[in-house]
Amino acid sequence: ETGVTQTPRHLVMGMTNKKSLKCEQHLGHNAMYWYKQSAKKPLELMFVYSLEERVENNSVPSRFSPECPNSSHLFLHLHTLQPEDSALYLCASSQDGTNYGYTFGSGTRLTVV
Amino acid sequence: GENVEQHPSTLSVQEGDSAVIKCTYSDSASNYFPWYKQELGKGPQLIIDIRSNVGEKKDQRIAVTLNKTAKHFSLHITETQPEDSAVYFCAPIREGGTSYGKLTFGQGTILTVHP
Repeated sequence: ETGVTQTPRHLVMGMTNKKSLKCEQHLGHNAMYWYKQSAKKPLELMFVYSLEERVENNSVPSRFSPECPNSSHLFLHLHTLQPEDSALYLCASSQDGTNYGYTFGSGTRLTVV
Repeated sequence: GENVEQHPSTLSVQEGDSAVIKCTYSDSASNYFPWYKQELGKGPQLIIDIRSNVGEKKDQRIAVTLNKTAKHFSLHITETQPEDSAVYFCAPIREGGTSYGKLTFGQGTILTVHP
């Protein structure tokens, strides 16, 4: 375990479903991130939360909705997804929005059918 | 924004050989240069990093070298072992200001070490 825990590890959902991905960090960090990792593409930064405020939204479609209720928890709410949204979704955390102690979780493998 | 390129995209070596992966970046203001290793079923993990005031850093079998003038840095793995097989990513960044830890990753290099 890296100190960043993601659940579930695997998720299959239909295009009309609503689901949520959860991330929890036990490192005392105050910045958290969502990344998308698709086959044959670089890791893409989706959202950044610093001190529980969203400071970055990289032109992500509105069918992805993040939530950060406190500095230890981060959610990604999913609805009306498309098959091309199938990917590995990675959560990460760091201290003070820097690269110090930047730590990733193991990811959620999402398949949209 | 930062443009990052890694070469090669795949690398196959025999156990005990050395492996070198190169990362080229575009932002001359970048000052932090990490390498991440991603094993199957796991997220990327930081294995070594270097800052712009240093030209080389070594940690046992791995090392990173930086050429700021040419805007590239490289990962060196010596005496490779099968457990080094993974995908390696570089993610150069300019720390401070509004960077908020927003890493821009290279496309990755798949390293395979054959026993």
